[in-house]
Amino acid sequence: EAGVVQSPRYKIIEKKQPVAFWCNPISGHNTLYWYLQNLGQGPELLIRYENEEAVDDSQLPKDRFSAERLKGVDSTLKIQPAELGDSAVYLCASRGDGEAFFGQGTRLTVV
Amino acid sequence: GDSVTQMEGPVTLSEEACLTINCTYTATGYPSLFWYVQYPGEGLQLLLKATKADDKGSNKGFEATYRKETTSFHLEKGSVQVSDSAVYFCALSDRGTYKYIFGTGTRLKVLA
Repeated sequence: EAGVVQSPRYKIIEKKQPVAFWCNPISGHNTLYWYLQNLGQGPELLIRYENEEAVDDSQLPKDRFSAERLKGVDSTLKIQPAELGDSAVYLCASRGDGEAFFGQGTRLTVV
Repeated sequence: GDSVTQMEGPVTLSEEACLTINCTYTATGYPSLFWYVQYPGEGLQLLLKATKADDKGSNKGFEATYRKETTSFHLEKGSVQVSDSAVYFCALSDRGTYKYIFGTGTRLKVLA
């Protein structure tokens, strides 16, 4: 069974540019999460979806971040415009009836 | 709100030494508890879990017991290997929201 797939693995952009990350969850998993992991820190929740509905986006900086999960499967996370402080690893995870499974993450570097 | 506190690293051990990484939690409800491991350049992998008090999760020689009275879920291994070198994250999941909250991680380095 394929795991959670994220792309790209690495992204380097200049500040003020837009960037998008893509996540394909495990088939059949209704819950999808986007987490932010700063260097040397634990992951912090940005947004959680149940099917196509964002049920917890309280920690998503909505002035520059947006996310969508069309048809309740794949999801994209966008930053526009990116700032230097957005450099981090963005993790996607999905959950069915049990525990959450994580993708390998996208490492974003803003220069 | 809910939170997880784990011991700071790095922890450096010789091969075959005993490992304990402390983890305590604060939760308003009755969460499930997890240990995830992150190898360099990789995402988080579930190491073990426990869903109710006194449950013991175990995997690859690692163990942790859900202690409700002390709100703890310490990770233990009797004999570590070089291949265990990684960052270990303690986490809880609220049963109602399924929101995962992580500790800051503990880096383990095992020397041959």
